[in-house]
Amino acid sequence: DAGVIQSPRHEVTEMGQEVTLRCKPISGHNSLFWYRQTMMRGLELLIYFNNNVPIDDSGMPEDRFSAKMPNASFSTLKIQPSEPRDSAVYFCATQNVQGSSYAEAFFGQGTRLTVV
Amino acid sequence: AQTVTQSQPEMSVQEAETVTLSCTYDTSENNYYLFWYKQPPSRQMILVIRQEAYKQQNATENRFSVNFQKAAKSFSLKISDSQLGDTAMYFCAYCNSGGYQKVTFGTGTKLQVIP
Repeated sequence: DAGVIQSPRHEVTEMGQEVTLRCKPISGHNSLFWYRQTMMRGLELLIYFNNNVPIDDSGMPEDRFSAKMPNASFSTLKIQPSEPRDSAVYFCATQNVQGSSYAEAFFGQGTRLTVV
Repeated sequence: AQTVTQSQPEMSVQEAETVTLSCTYDTSENNYYLFWYKQPPSRQMILVIRQEAYKQQNATENRFSVNFQKAAKSFSLKISDSQLGDTAMYFCAYCNSGGYQKVTFGTGTKLQVIP
C-alpha cells in the first residue's frame, strides 16, 4: 500500500481564496483524522471521521473550515475564505479500528499551506 | 480532557551519546496508550515507540526505550548511541483506548545530534 496520500504537498494561495486539501486513506482503514500543525500550537486535531461519518469536529476553528468524507477512499478539508493565519501544515491520518484494540495511526506527508 | 506536556523545546546531544526527552501527561483514564513520534525535516510523522498503560514493563525498540511511570504520569524517551539521523522533532502523544482513539500531542522537542 502507498500509505496515506495527501495532495497537494504545497499550496500557496491569496487571502480570500478557497483552498481544498485532499486525503486518500490507506485501503481498509475506517477512521480518519485531520490535524493542523503550527509553531505556536503544535499539532491540533481538527476533525475525526469514523466509517465516513464526522464524529468529533470540536477542533474545527471556525465556519470557514469544513471537511467531508463522501466515501471510504477520499476526504477533503476546505477553507473558504482563506486567511494568512491559516498558514500551517495540515496532516491527514488514518486507522483501522477494530473494537477497542489498539490501532496505529498512519500519517500522510502533510500539505504545507501558505496564505499570502 | 487529556493534556500532554513536553517541557524541553530544544535539546542537543553528541553523536554516540545518550539523551533523554521528557514528557508528562494528564488523564483520568486507567487504560490508554502513549507514544513517541519522530518528525524529521521531511515532515513525515514516524512512530518510534508505543507503550500500553496496563503494561508495567517499559517498551524498547532497538536504541529507543521509555521510562513509563504511571503514578507520576511521566513518559520519557531515552535514545542510546545517538546517530545523526536521529536529528528531528520528537512528539510525545497520548491516545485513549476504545473505539475513538484520538491522539493528543505534546508541543514537541527539537533534538539536534552533533557530530
